[in-house]
Amino acid sequence: DIQMTQSPSSLSASVGDRVTITCRASQSISSNLNWSQQKPGEAPRLLIYGASNLQSGVPSRFSGSGSGTDFTLTINSLQPEDFATYYCQQSYNTPLTFGGGTKVEIK
Amino acid sequence: QVQLLQSGSEVKEPGASVKVSCQTSGYIFTNYAMHWVRQAPGQRPEWMGWINAGNGNTKYSQKLQGRITIIRDTSASTVYMELSSLRSEDTAVYYCARDGAGVPAAVWGWFDPWGQGTLVIVSS
Repeated sequence: DIQMTQSPSSLSASVGDRVTITCRASQSISSNLNWSQQKPGEAPRLLIYGASNLQSGVPSRFSGSGSGTDFTLTINSLQPEDFATYYCQQSYNTPLTFGGGTKVEIK
Repeated sequence: QVQLLQSGSEVKEPGASVKVSCQTSGYIFTNYAMHWVRQAPGQRPEWMGWINAGNGNTKYSQKLQGRITIIRDTSASTVYMELSSLRSEDTAVYYCARDGAGVPAAVWGWFDPWGQGTLVIVSS
């Protein structure tokens, strides 16, 4: 199974900050990396697919980059509604696997 | 708009089975695969398997093989996930999630949208 490791596991930031979350795969997954956002008590919501493609309806302050084993999710100008947990997920092969999550909290 | 509406919460005893439904609307049902993903309290999501809604082909997590069955009813645009021989570790919120590919027989492995989730509690 491909192991997905996210860092940091949590971070504190202020509204307006730029936030960067990293995700590392245990083997090369090309660009088969997706990012989702989850708020407490809600289902996850897709933000980015294929490492860098913004899902329809997602604000442009979210962006993704990377390929191979190292990936990054960037949130420019953090907004109040962005405080949530973020997961990376590989779609290179089965079993599809998720990172451990990064909780973005208000400073 | 695309909607995935799941059945309600369940409480089951160890050893029992649970069947969760996911009723879809707003898109061509047979053009997309449907995944099932579960999330235990405080844990990362765990992919369980998918079904190609067009031809009924399935792919299951090796971890759950033998205990999980995913089927679909094309006349009702509904997907079902049954998990048997339940144990306490199966306590989780279970989600259906549509695959990103809109091409029949293709599975891209990313999820959009998700159902609202179904809480399954396994306890004696």
